[in-house]
Amino acid sequence: GAVVSQHPSWVICKSGTSVKIECRSLDFQATTMFWYRQFPKQSLMLMATSNEGSKATYEQGVEKDKFLINHASLTLSTLTVTSAHPEDSSFYICSGTGTANTEAFFGQGTRLTVV
Amino acid sequence: LAKTTQPISMDSYEGQEVNITCSHNNIATNDYITWYQQFPSQGPRFIIQGYKTKVTNEVASLFIPADRKSSTLSLPRVSLSDTAVYYCLVGVPGGFKTIFGAGTRLFVKA
Repeated sequence: GAVVSQHPSWVICKSGTSVKIECRSLDFQATTMFWYRQFPKQSLMLMATSNEGSKATYEQGVEKDKFLINHASLTLSTLTVTSAHPEDSSFYICSGTGTANTEAFFGQGTRLTVV
Repeated sequence: LAKTTQPISMDSYEGQEVNITCSHNNIATNDYITWYQQFPSQGPRFIIQGYKTKVTNEVASLFIPADRKSSTLSLPRVSLSDTAVYYCLVGVPGGFKTIFGAGTRLFVKA
């Protein structure tokens, strides 16, 4: 199947700093990218949906100024957690799908720890 | 978006067949049913997708009754490495907003 590469796989940052997570579709054009966060022993919670070249659509309760999403190309989307705080510590996962795809392909996830 | 309901957890033993049923009573005409597997600290992995009747691939089978209001993922002869969370999702392929339900935690014992 198609591959989505997500980096970094884990990151530790200080409170107040910003962290960028990259998500690349390696062998398909991801016209739509989804970003999720997942807390321990819980399901994935959709944060936002982004279409290439357009502004992301955020789910209710997700701060767009804190979680900046860029989807400038068909193969790359980034999530920047700005002014991170310990409560932002979580597992972040991206997925992508294209017009020719019948399912979404997920990245490996990024474990963010804010200290 | 069709809501899905699955058992919270299931236990099995190595070598057994495991069937996980998902209810999706308000599935729409254009919706497909997709199952994903997730191991701890990894992204979900696609298992199987279907629209109606039965679909089989190298790892699982998917049974969908005529009314499509439920579906059953069948894992033949599970092993310890099949211990994971299994998610059932319903939506339009290629453009759907993937909303995850709670999933089913499968524990495979020796």
